[in-house]
Amino acid sequence: QQPVQSPQAVILREGEDAVINCSSSKALYSVHWYRQKHGEAPVFLMILLKGGEQKGHDKISASFNEKKQQSSLYLTASQLSYSGTYFCGTRSQFYFGTGTSLTVIP
Amino acid sequence: EAGVTQSPTHLIKTRGQQATLRCSPISGHTSVYWYQQALGLGLQFLLWYDEGEERNRGNFPPRFSGRQFPNYSSELNVNALELEDSALYLCASSLGGTGANYGYTFGSGTRLTVV
Repeated sequence: QQPVQSPQAVILREGEDAVINCSSSKALYSVHWYRQKHGEAPVFLMILLKGGEQKGHDKISASFNEKKQQSSLYLTASQLSYSGTYFCGTRSQFYFGTGTSLTVIP
Repeated sequence: EAGVTQSPTHLIKTRGQQATLRCSPISGHTSVYWYQQALGLGLQFLLWYDEGEERNRGNFPPRFSGRQFPNYSSELNVNALELEDSALYLCASSLGGTGANYGYTFGSGTRLTVV
C-alpha cells in the first residue's frame, strides 16, 4: 500500500538537477510532497490534485500522472538547502512513500 | 500563528509501561494525524481524528489508541510498551473533512525510547 519512491538516495553537486519518482499500486487521487531535514519535522512542499497537474515554486516543481499512478518531483539547479529526505504522500490513503535521501554537496 | 505543538519532546519508558503523547493542532485545523517514524524508516500511518471521532487507523495493534478533544487537541496512548515502539511519533494537522485538498502541517515530534 505504501508508494514506492526512486531513487532511494541521490548525491548531487550544487547546481545539478534531480528527479524523484513516486509510484503507487493503488489509484492516486492526489499527491503531496514533503521534505524532512535531519532531526526536523517534515515540511509540506506542494499538493497536486488532479492528473496532468504540474506545480512549482522556486526551482522545485512536480507533476502528477493519474493514469500511471505516478508523480515526479523535479529539483533544478540544486542548492545546499535542498538536502533532506523527500516523501510523497497519498492523502486519500494516508500513506507516505518510502522516502528519497537527497544530499547536495558543494 | 503557532504551529503544531507536541509534548513531551522526549519520553523514556520501561517495557510494559504506558506512554501518553499530546498534540495541539494549528488553530482552525480540525483533523489530526499520528505517524510513527522508526529510526531510518519512513512515516507509518497510525491514526486519523476529525471532529472528535477516529476516522481511520493504520496497521497497528489495538494497544495504540488515542482520542481527540473538543478543542481538537489529541493524545496518543501506547499501552504495554515494547522495545520496538521506540521511535519518533509525529502529529500533523490539516483542515478537516474527507477531501484530499490540503497538505499537512507536522509538529516536531515526540521521541519515545523504550528500555
